[in-house]
Amino acid sequence: AQSVTQLGSHVSVSEGALVLLRCNYSSSVPPYLFWYVQYPNQGLQLLLKYTTGATLVKGINGFEAEFKKSETSFHLTKPSAHMSDAAEYFCAVSDKTSYDKVIFGPGTSLSVIP
Amino acid sequence: DAGITQSPRYKITETGRQVTLMCHQTWSHSYMFWYRQDLGHGLRLIYYSAAADITDKGEVPDGYVVSRSKTENFPLTLESATRSQTSVYFCASSLGGGWATEAFFGQGTRLTVV
Repeated sequence: AQSVTQLGSHVSVSEGALVLLRCNYSSSVPPYLFWYVQYPNQGLQLLLKYTTGATLVKGINGFEAEFKKSETSFHLTKPSAHMSDAAEYFCAVSDKTSYDKVIFGPGTSLSVIP
Repeated sequence: DAGITQSPRYKITETGRQVTLMCHQTWSHSYMFWYRQDLGHGLRLIYYSAAADITDKGEVPDGYVVSRSKTENFPLTLESATRSQTSVYFCASSLGGGWATEAFFGQGTRLTVV
């Protein structure tokens, strides 16, 4: 069965510092991979996704993620944190054959310290 | 307004009562989904629908009923609410098949069962 782990339920960074949010998945075949962001009292918004092709994926708001098959990881990074990046971030993985196999991680809450 | 809207945004109900959460989208997306979000669990899929009159169970369907008589609407009914169903519920839609397409989320309904 697929699963998603996100190391660290809460991450704090200083404004201007590197953001690194970790995501590891378990799947027998390379899946689709996603990062979503949730701002307070809002729904989820897609940041970026990996389906096939280039393993470094660029998303909105300066975020990017790299798919590493050998490490079964899809970590999210941003070179310089902004106050507006404070939110909840969810990694998600899906089986390529079935819609109900979309699995979300537990989420990581990002705080940005001025 | 264009997009995906959920109503109500907040609901308090008593144990044993029936309650229906509404979801409406204006994009004519084929796929619609209901998730519940609980602390430490991320989002868990309750039910999904590939088209009008086609629905299927997700990860946690027990105690819930869905219908989809029109493409744009996907109501979720709790037949006899229990305290364990206290959660934030998100509706989402996507254009086509598979999770290679982006899912768009509503703003959520916060349900409290007392």
